Amino acid sequence: DGGITQSPKYLFRKEGQNVTLSCEQNLNHDAMYWYRQDPGQGLRLIYYSQIVNDFQKGDIAEGYSVSREKKESFPLTVTSAQKNPTAFYLCASSPGGPPDTQYFGPGTRLTVL
Amino acid sequence: AQRVTQPEKLLSVFKGAPVELKCNYSYSGSPELFWYVQYSRQRLQLLLRHISRESIKGFTADLNKGETSFHLKKPFAQEEDSAMYYCALSIGHGQNFVFGPGTRLSVLP
Repeated sequence: DGGITQSPKYLFRKEGQNVTLSCEQNLNHDAMYWYRQDPGQGLRLIYYSQIVNDFQKGDIAEGYSVSREKKESFPLTVTSAQKNPTAFYLCASSPGGPPDTQYFGPGTRLTVL
Repeated sequence: AQRVTQPEKLLSVFKGAPVELKCNYSYSGSPELFWYVQYSRQRLQLLLRHISRESIKGFTADLNKGETSFHLKKPFAQEEDSAMYYCALSIGHGQNFVFGPGTRLSVLP
């Protein structure tokens, strides 16, 4: 399944700690996205980036931060300011920005204890 | 604000029966609509988008601007269609996608 990878698959952290989720793509896509998936709520956009060194907040950016130093990589940091960090996190990429088709990674399940 | 609703959290049908997964959106302009699907233990992936006007795996979806709907239909459901289906809206270049809450389709033998 290559293309877009996320690591790790499962992540456990103690409350109050920052944690960084990895997202890498080798599809040469310009745009990358981070979503949070909660039961019954679908996917909610956290951050997106349409080009290197540029990113925009999505609908639920509070308590999260990102960087886009390389085209291939778009790491997401879940900070201690995020009130309910336990969730399933999905990364996606697309050739250009919306409305191009998005290609999703396998996801990371974060559990904060 | 743009919004996508999928009224059914769970839809169960028998194999061979017709299936319709409902999707309504709120946007007054010209939207682009998508259906994404997530099979068990697989990644979320595109099923179809309205501008392609394709039939994928027997599924079709017609954009009805008057009713602001983009329902997904298949005349004869198969067990392998069991999955989580998400309707998504894009209002154009540079704008975000908005996903609906999803409908879990269960096709019973």
